[in-house]
Amino acid sequence: DQQVKQNSPSLSVQEGRISILNCDYTNSMFDYFLWYKKYPAEGPTFLISISSIKDKNEDGRFTVFLNKSAKHLSLHIVPSQPGDSAVYFCAATTQGGSEKLVFGKGTKLTVNP
Amino acid sequence: EAGVAQSPRYKIIEKRQSVAFWCNPISGHATLYWYQQILGQGPKLLIQFQNNGVVDDSQLPKDRFSAERLKGVDSTLKIQPAKLEDSAVYLCASSLNGRADTQYFGPGTRLTVL
Repeated sequence: DQQVKQNSPSLSVQEGRISILNCDYTNSMFDYFLWYKKYPAEGPTFLISISSIKDKNEDGRFTVFLNKSAKHLSLHIVPSQPGDSAVYFCAATTQGGSEKLVFGKGTKLTVNP
Repeated sequence: EAGVAQSPRYKIIEKRQSVAFWCNPISGHATLYWYQQILGQGPKLLIQFQNNGVVDDSQLPKDRFSAERLKGVDSTLKIQPAKLEDSAVYLCASSLNGRADTQYFGPGTRLTVL
């Protein structure tokens, strides 16, 4: 029973263009969502989060959008840079972020120079 | 500030053998997590400690996996005996206040069971 789904295993974009990574969830109890970035041989690092009381959160080149009715969130990276090439994990939790994280399978982003 | 330390980084064992992983969290972090990440999957929480007490071990296969954090600082995760399906990266993370967005992950231990 996969509660957090990232249906695109990989995505390739050109440097300078927009990268859009998608995530769907099934558990309506989730109220806090996070994106993590992972480079090979390293642990995931926190990138950006959003609470269910918001529909958008922005941090520099990274913006996360939340559509609660569709149980869908997306991460936009603008402009994409080669250093953004990594695996991106979507994660969800309940009780405002104090409960355990449930991760998606990840999307491997490749940004081509 | 030093990050989360894990050792060893890589381990290869045969099935039915035992193995142990060590984690030293960021200084002062009361909450410690062990995750299992199987190839092609996202990390899955195995166990969460608050100081030296277990908060959540609902997904820990207790017939073969054990973990301890005796002094509320570093932690050990053990598998005995190992199975082929235990091949994965074992990630340790720590958090100052137990919030999801304040978890810092270590580099992980890649376990291969032959």
